[in-house]
Parts: sequence; C-alpha cells; structure tokens
Amino acid sequence: EVELLESGGGLVQPGGSLRLSCVTSGFTFSSYALSWVRQAPGKGLEWVSSISASGASLYSEDSLKGRFIISRDNSKSTLFLQMISLRVEDTAIYYCAKQIGSTATDFDSWGQGTLVTVSS
Amino acid sequence: QSALTQPASLSGSPGQSITISCTGATGDIGDYKFVSWYQQHPGKAPKLMIYEVTNRPSGVSNRFSGSKSGNTASLTISGLQAEDEADYYCSSYTYRSTRVFGTGTKVTVL
Repeated sequence: EVELLESGGGLVQPGGSLRLSCVTSGFTFSSYALSWVRQAPGKGLEWVSSISASGASLYSEDSLKGRFIISRDNSKSTLFLQMISLRVEDTAIYYCAKQIGSTATDFDSWGQGTLVTVSS
Repeated sequence: QSALTQPASLSGSPGQSITISCTGATGDIGDYKFVSWYQQHPGKAPKLMIYEVTNRPSGVSNRFSGSKSGNTASLTISGLQAEDEADYYCSSYTYRSTRVFGTGTKVTVL
C-alpha cells in the first residue's frame, strides 16, 4: 500500500523558514515524480512544485520561485520542500503527492497534509 | 498560470447524472492528455478519480467518467449517490511543464 506522510509544518513568523518532509513507502520511490500541492484555508488546490524521478528536473510555480525549493533523497524515500521568506499568504495545508509516472503526470496518491501557519 | 475554470457549484438528486466542466486554453487542456480529476471530502486529502482524461483508477466506481473536447474537460457522475457530495477539482499538465488546478466545484446531493 502506498503511503505518504508529511511533517515539518507549524507556526512561523513572516519572513521565517520551514522545511517540510514527506516520508513514503509502498512503492519504488526512485521511479516516480513527486509534487507538493497546497490548499489555503477554505480555498482550492494550488500546485506548488514537482520533481522528476531522478531529481534532475525541477518545476515550480512562477510566483514561488526563489522562495520554495523542492528536493528528494532517493536513498531515504523522502521528499522535501524548503521554504524561505514565508508570507502570511503561504498559510495552507501542504500535501505531498505521488505522480503516476517518472515525470509530470497525474497525481495518484496523496498524503494527509501538514499545516503551515504564517503569522506574527 | 491562471487556474482552470469550473462552475462553483452543482447539485442533483440521487440517481441523477451531473457533468462538471473544466475550461482551460491552448497550452494546457487542449494540448495534453494529462488531465485528471480529484474528489475531496471536507477535512480529507484529495483522491484521484480520473487520470489521462478518461482512465479510472482501480477501486473508483464506474459511475465516474471523463472526457475532453478542445480546451474543455468534463467529469460526469452517473447515478448520483449521497457519498458523492464533495468538492471536485480538475488538473492539467501545461506547456511550461507545470501543473494547474481548476477552481473547484462543490457538488451537493439534494
């Protein structure tokens, strides 16, 4: 059974940093692309960033480039999202999502999410 | 990348069929097969219902079907049931190798 478990969320002040992790199991981690998707309170889903199976290709929402960096450790089956210069509008549940193929295909499994709250 | 356009809400009685539209543009829905649909119940993670426009994952009811015409994708729910009441989101791959989601549709079973 595919499992994705996010962690690292919490309360942070504007301008602060956080590193989210997503530990996975139940599939060959190094064969699949992965993504982060977020959802602000009461709002819709917003794609944040994707990384190819090998980690060689990274893609991010234009408005987040330079502040959010996706990475992966294939030896530990773990996905990361480093977030810096956080803003109030970054407050959201952050989901880790597995993609069907090795590149930017559809999302077939999701974690339960980790809540990031940016507030003073 | 602007969000794909979905109706904010739809409703139907048990047993009826409803169709949710998802309108994009050239450069996303119109050009790629990677169009998917997700169901989200309150407080829960999204669940894949349709991938690559028309494909249903194992375990998803055959009451759910997907299609695409030009720049618009559609999700049809046949034989509406109480458990289908949820938010639904479409998503597409884009020409910039990014992903974009729809604005979301709240489905109410009357």
